[in-house]
Parts: sequence; structure tokens; C-alpha cells
Amino acid sequence: DAGVTQSPTHLIKTRGQHVTLRCSPISGHKSVSWYQQVLGQGPQFIFQYYEKEERGRGNFPDRFSARQFPNYSSELNVNALLLGDSALYLCASSGTGRGETQYFGPGTRLLVL
Amino acid sequence: AQSVTQLDSQVPVFEEAPVELRCNYSSSVSVYLFWYVQYPNQGLQLLLKYLSGSTLVESINGFEAEFNKSQTSFHLRKPSVHISDTAEYFCAVKGDTGNTGKLIFGQGTTLQVKP
Repeated sequence: DAGVTQSPTHLIKTRGQHVTLRCSPISGHKSVSWYQQVLGQGPQFIFQYYEKEERGRGNFPDRFSARQFPNYSSELNVNALLLGDSALYLCASSGTGRGETQYFGPGTRLLVL
Repeated sequence: AQSVTQLDSQVPVFEEAPVELRCNYSSSVSVYLFWYVQYPNQGLQLLLKYLSGSTLVESINGFEAEFNKSQTSFHLRKPSVHISDTAEYFCAVKGDTGNTGKLIFGQGTTLQVKP
């Protein structure tokens, strides 16, 4: 079975631009979460979506937004990019249940110049 | 709210030696605990997890971790490491409350296995 997939793998943008990152969950998983991993740090939670509804939001500015589609894939959008947005963006999918394991994709590495 | 502290940023060790990567957490509610491994330029892979039951959990590649509620710890151990274990290791916690699947990660520990 295919794991979590993300696109693109790498992206270079300039300050002030907009970016859209995409994620396809494992088949049968209805929950998608997004994390930001800055170099040398642990991942930081951005959003969780379940059945197309936002279930959780981390401490990120409103420039960050996301949505989930009927097929459970998801997009993360970041507006007005800042240099500090340079990071590895990870998507994770999981089933239902409180102890469900989150399975991570390979990530999208974003560089903002 | 929960938080995770990984007590060592880097752990150098020789091949075939034992290793322990330390993780402490804080939480006002019951938690689920996870260890993930990240190889260079890759995403995170689940190593093992504690949900309930036996406090000692094992992975298929020889790692084990013990949940210690009184010390709020979930240290990761391996009796004999291999060069291929060189990677970044992250401890994570999830509160057993609400509907959010939010994972709180530690800062990570770099395991450097030397020949």
C-alpha cells in the first residue's frame, strides 16, 4: 500500500509570495495533520483536519491555512512568505481513535529567499 | 497542555555498545507516548509507541522504551547499536483528551554511531 505522499518535494520561493503544499493520506485514513520542522528542531503542529473539518490548530499566524477535500487529501497554504517560513513541512495521516499512530510523508522542503 | 524534553541533543556511541536516549514529558492528563526516527532528508518513521498496558514496549529492530509514570519518562534503549541506527530520534506525546491528534515533539536527539 502507498504511504503518505506529498508534493512538491522541494520548493524555492521569495519573500511575499504564496505557496501551496499538497498531501495524500494513506488509503482509508480520514485525518490529516500538518507540521513544520525548522532545521535542528522537532516538528511543530500546524493543523489537523478530520472529515474536512478543522480539529486543531497550532500557534501559527493566519497566513497559514489549510483545507481537506472529499477524498481526504489536503492542502496547506502559506501567504506572504517570510524568511522564517523556510522549513520542512510534514504531512501525517491517521485513522480514528485517540491513540492512532500518525504516519508521516517525506515532507516538502520550502526555502524562502 | 503537554511538553516534551529530550535531555541529550547528541549521543555519540561506538558500534555494538548500548545506548539510552532520554525523554521526559509533562502533562495534566493521561498521555500516549511515541518515539519516531528520522533519517537524513526523510520524513518521520514510527519506532514504537505506548498506549496502555505493559509499560515496556519494543520495536522490531531491537529498540525498547519503558513508560515510567511516576518519573514522567519514556526513555529509549538499545542493547547493541549498529551504524545504520545513526539518525535523529524524536520523542512525542499526545494527550488522551479531546478530538485533536496533535503530537507534541521534543527537540530531538542525534544518535551518532561510530565504527
